[in-house]
Amino acid sequence: DTGVSQDPRHKITKRGQNVTFRCDPISEHNRLYWYRQTLGQGPEFLTYFQNEAQLEKSRLLSDRFSAERPKGSFSTLEIQRTEQGDSAMYLCASRPGGGDTQYFGPGTRLTVL
Amino acid sequence: SQKIEQNSEALNIQEGKTDTLTCNYTNYSPAYLEWYRQDPGRGPVFLLLIRENEKEKRKERLKVTFDTTLKQSLFHITASQPADSATYLCALPNYGGSQGNLIFGKGTKLSVKP
Repeated sequence: DTGVSQDPRHKITKRGQNVTFRCDPISEHNRLYWYRQTLGQGPEFLTYFQNEAQLEKSRLLSDRFSAERPKGSFSTLEIQRTEQGDSAMYLCASRPGGGDTQYFGPGTRLTVL
Repeated sequence: SQKIEQNSEALNIQEGKTDTLTCNYTNYSPAYLEWYRQDPGRGPVFLLLIRENEKEKRKERLKVTFDTTLKQSLFHITASQPADSATYLCALPNYGGSQGNLIFGKGTKLSVKP
């Protein structure tokens, strides 16, 4: 399967702990996006990478959140000092440079106790 | 800022019927608009993209229209099947598509009863 993959699929953590999620995009896609989705809502944009450069960050991305994409391949999203309000599905999507369509991964479901 | 409204949170229809989902946006007209399907606990799956200069797009039993005057897109499913039961999301690019990050509606949960 050459789709977008995300790891882990589920994460349960205690408030105040740090968590890190990984996204592996489709190999030839140079654009990568992170979104967050809460129950009953559509996905909300968090941040965007073109190759290794982080070009855009939403105001939803507080200073407890950081994302990287070393070498323009996989990406990681870290949340420090998690809060219960961080509980959500974190989705990664990738897109080829010349195309418009984004392809989403299965998501990482985060539960903060 | 751009906002998207999808007509209903939930729709229940009988198998074999045709239904229409509505997506309205409030601000600038985007260069394109997309529809996604999302099953519980899974990521959205791309269905159709329609550009601002296209009136209609079809894919198998699906049809999407785009009216920039009304600021509206309609999503039609014909001969619906229970397997079509899912949440359908409308999305359009923010900033008119310069970076490609999408704004999504809340989705419409469609249930097709046998």
